[in-house]
Amino acid sequence: AQSVTQPDIHITVSEGASLELRCNYSYGATPYLFWYVQSPGQGLQLLLKYFSGDTLVQGIKGFEAEFKRSQSSFNLRKPSVHWSDAAEYFCAVGALGNQGGKLIFGQGTELSVKP
Amino acid sequence: EPEVTQTPSHQVTQMGQEVILRCVPISNHLYFYWYRQILGQKVEFLVSFYNNEISEKSEIFDDQFSVERPDGSNFTLKIRSTKLEDSAMYFCASSGGLAGGGEQFFGPGTRLTVL
Repeated sequence: AQSVTQPDIHITVSEGASLELRCNYSYGATPYLFWYVQSPGQGLQLLLKYFSGDTLVQGIKGFEAEFKRSQSSFNLRKPSVHWSDAAEYFCAVGALGNQGGKLIFGQGTELSVKP
Repeated sequence: EPEVTQTPSHQVTQMGQEVILRCVPISNHLYFYWYRQILGQKVEFLVSFYNNEISEKSEIFDDQFSVERPDGSNFTLKIRSTKLEDSAMYFCASSGGLAGGGEQFFGPGTRLTVL
């Protein structure tokens, strides 16, 4: 069955520190992988996506993620966190095809940023 | 920048009442989705819609739910007889499909409270 696991429910980092949010997926075929961010009261904004090719993908707001097939992981990283990065982060795998397809989300990781 | 819009932002209803949640997807998109997020839980897929019909639905999407694209711009989710457990944030999303980049663009959500 398709699934996404985000092992960390809540992470707190200091402003300026580096960040890594973990994501593991289970999917039978080549996955389409996404990271979304949700600020309080807002919808989901796409940070980055991986479909194929270079396993290190760059996204908006200085985020990047690395696809590791052998580990079934797609971890999100940022070298220096800003206070405005405090939000909830969702990893998702897309069961995409000619009919569009659905996204399967992880539980989410809530990021808090200490001054 | 084009965006998905949803109305209302918050809907309060009595158990057993019908509600209609409205969405205006991005104009040139062909694939439309509804997801929901119960407070504190993950975002869950409800239904996808393409070419004027449902392309996939989850087990959550039972007979009390229906979707419609009544004109060229709106996409609606109807819950026929609401239950307490339908209280959640409902997100609409649209996509241009794989040819359009594959990502789904989400609206800000409608918070449904069933009393």
